[in-house]
This record gives sequence, C-alpha cells and structure tokens, in this order.
Amino acid sequence: GAVVSQHPSWVICKSGTSVKIECRSLDFQATTMFWYRQFPKQSLMLMATSNEGSKATYEQGVEKDKFLINHASLTLSTLTVTSAHPEDSSFYICSARVANEQFFGPGTRLTVL
Amino acid sequence: QKEVEQDPGPLSVPEGAIVSLNCTYSNSAFQYFMWYRQYSRKGPELLMYTYSSGNKEDGRFTAQVDKSSKYISLFIRDSQPSDSATYLCAMSAVGFQKLVFGTGTRLLVSP
Repeated sequence: GAVVSQHPSWVICKSGTSVKIECRSLDFQATTMFWYRQFPKQSLMLMATSNEGSKATYEQGVEKDKFLINHASLTLSTLTVTSAHPEDSSFYICSARVANEQFFGPGTRLTVL
Repeated sequence: QKEVEQDPGPLSVPEGAIVSLNCTYSNSAFQYFMWYRQYSRKGPELLMYTYSSGNKEDGRFTAQVDKSSKYISLFIRDSQPSDSATYLCAMSAVGFQKLVFGTGTRLLVSP
C-alpha cells in the first residue's frame, strides 16, 4: 500500500506556542489529504479536508484560525496548531487519498504543558 | 443514531479462534467499505477494502458486505496475539470525499 509519513512523531510544547506537523505521501501524489484528531480510546475525528492548491474544508466545530492547514504540493500537507493550549493535547493523524482508498500516517502525539 | 455503529468491546479470544467483527450503518449511500487495524499509539493501517456488496478474502482476513441489511463484517481466522489491536470499520459514499468511522472494536487475543 501507499506510504504516508508524519513529522514529528511526538512533540511537547509550552502553552501559547505554535506547533507545525508535516504529512507527506512518500511514493504517490495525493490531491486530497485529511487531518484527524484522536483522543484516548476514541475513534478518529475528522478535522479538515485538504486539497492541493486550495483552501482546506473544515468540519463543523473546528476552528480554522487555530488549526491552519496548508497543502502546498501534491506530496505535502501541514497542520499548524496556533497558540496551543493543554486542551489541544491529542493524537493528530493525517491521511492521503489514492483513488477510493485512504492511507494513514503514523500520527503525531502533541502534549501541551 | 450514529451513522456507523460498532461495538467497542473489548473482545477477548484465545489464540487460534475465529474472530468476527461487525458494523452496522444507516446511510444507504455508502458504497465503499474498509477495515483498518490500529495498534496503540499508531496510525490506522488499511486491512481490507470492498466496493458494494460481496466478500473479499486476503490471507486470514475475510470482509463481507451486506448492503441489504446495512451490515459489514470482518472475519479473522487462526487469530494470533499479534492481531490484538483496535479494528475500525469505515465507509464512504460514491464521489468519495471523507470516511465515516465506527468507534472501533478492541480485540485481545491471548496466547
């Protein structure tokens, strides 16, 4: 299957700082990438759909000014958590779409102190 | 009512058992059905992908889709301790844009 990477795999930051997470499709081009958030023992919650070269589409209740998404190329999408707070601590996972299948990255664990 | 219902478990079975995991859904527009396996603190891994109704087999895994009943299943034969993980069903409609996930079933296979 297609390979999706994320960087960093984990990050710890102070409250008020911004954190950028990168999502790359390694062996294919992805016109559409997705960003999810997952709390412990819960399922994935879709945050936004990212299309290359256009603005991301955010799900209801997700603050677009807080979670900035940029999909600058066919192999890279970034999620920036701005002015992070402890309640933003979570597991963030990206995925990339290939035809009608979706492949996930390994996730990034964010801890905000 | 959620669009996709999945028993969260945990489901505990002995090694070698046949495991049956299931999801029901309410949206008749769903056409694409997937099963993902997720180990703790890892991203989901695509196991099976099925379009519309029918069966699909891959090694020890068999996926079944019954659209008339809005019911999908994943069977794992000869289960192994390494199969211990959370299994997520996911589905989408034609004109695929986003997946709708079940809550996941936690499976524990004991040696």
